[in-house]
Amino acid sequence: SQQGEEDPQALSIQEGENATMNCSYKTSINNLQWYRQNSGRGLVHLILIRSNEREKHSGRLRVTLDTSKKSSSLLITASRAADTASYFCATAPNTPLVFGKGTRLSVIA
Amino acid sequence: KAGVTQTPRYLIKTRGQQVTLSCSPISGHRSVSWYQQTPGQGLQFLFEYFSETQRNKGNFPGRFSGRQFSNSRSEMNVSTLELGDSALYLCASSLEFMQGDSPLHFGNGTRLTVT
Repeated sequence: SQQGEEDPQALSIQEGENATMNCSYKTSINNLQWYRQNSGRGLVHLILIRSNEREKHSGRLRVTLDTSKKSSSLLITASRAADTASYFCATAPNTPLVFGKGTRLSVIA
Repeated sequence: KAGVTQTPRYLIKTRGQQVTLSCSPISGHRSVSWYQQTPGQGLQFLFEYFSETQRNKGNFPGRFSGRQFSNSRSEMNVSTLELGDSALYLCASSLEFMQGDSPLHFGNGTRLTVT
């Protein structure tokens, strides 16, 4: 089955800075999704980008997709302490939604 | 609209026992999926149910089973518990079968500890 792999594994930034995390995958996709997980809680869906889209925005989030490189990036602008969480990408082709191990983001106030 | 509800929130069991976890999806959602999350393995897909039928199954032993009822509520059962079954078990619901465009809506999980 496919798996998105997030990079870096961990990221620590100051409040107000931008945070960028990347996701790579192996085969063709229908869409790619990003989720956030606060410690000990369930995942929360952030944004879905379809294979024919190159960029998508939602509030302070910007997601790009490069299907030729089989990669996506999630940019969080003007980060806040509340953005501290793990971020996962997941790809949806013809198999169950499979998640990578995530990027652990720490935003220091 | 109420979110995905998982019960119980925490559970402590001993090796050899069995356990049943419950998940109530968002109203109108017909697909329910289960994931196991551990620090070492990350999120591992267990199974997905859609309209009371198991549509996909992950690579877990037969001790892990599930079912879905006509009201879309789902249960998963783990028999003969092992220490390695200690994990956060997450349930997620979506409007349609997972391979579509519907995002997953997760509950806050059941934290199972096996001693």
